[in-house]
Amino acid sequence: DIQMTQSPSTLSASVGDTVTITCRASQSFGDWLAWYQQKPGKAPQLLIYKASTLETGVPSRFRGSGSGTEFSLTISSLQPDDFATYYCQRCHSSSLIFGQGTKLEIK
Amino acid sequence: QLQLQESGPGLVKPSETLSLTCTVSGGSISNTNYYWGWVRQPPGKGLEWIGSIYYDGRTYYNPSLKSRVTISEDPPKNQFSLKLTSVTAADTAVYSCARVSGPRYYAMDVWGQGTTVIVSS
Repeated sequence: DIQMTQSPSTLSASVGDTVTITCRASQSFGDWLAWYQQKPGKAPQLLIYKASTLETGVPSRFRGSGSGTEFSLTISSLQPDDFATYYCQRCHSSSLIFGQGTKLEIK
Repeated sequence: QLQLQESGPGLVKPSETLSLTCTVSGGSISNTNYYWGWVRQPPGKGLEWIGSIYYDGRTYYNPSLKSRVTISEDPPKNQFSLKLTSVTAADTAVYSCARVSGPRYYAMDVWGQGTTVIVSS
């Protein structure tokens, strides 16, 4: 079974910063990967699918990249609303495994 | 617009079976472009995919839960359901249902608000 590992687990940054979250897979699987944002007490929100395609309505400061075993989510010019927890997910018809999450905190 | 709503008991005793239903409104669970899934989140922890069901009844489960999980669908009621047997305190979590989108390469694009299930005697 493919495992997804995110790093870092916690990230401290300031408004206006650019940050990158990495997601690594234990086996290569192409680019069917999604990224989600979750705020406390709320359902996750889809940000990016197929590794780099922005979901409708998601600001362009979010950018996804990667394929195979290494993927990244970059958030440019951090806004106060961006401080949340982010999850990657391997998207396969028979398996939708999540990474363990990265909490983005205000420095 | 599509909406998903979880329902079921908020308290389950250890060793018993957790049963939840997701009611879909604003769209049909028989739409062949989509399928349906369950995700849970224990307190203070990350998201865990439980399993998914296709429009044709095919199911896929997280290997870590496979022996205890059953997901089924009821197309006339536009609902799908989750059963988790032999629960323990480790199964205490917020359980959410979600739509898995074929056009979005199997990403989960619409979520229910989630329902808290506590396993306790």
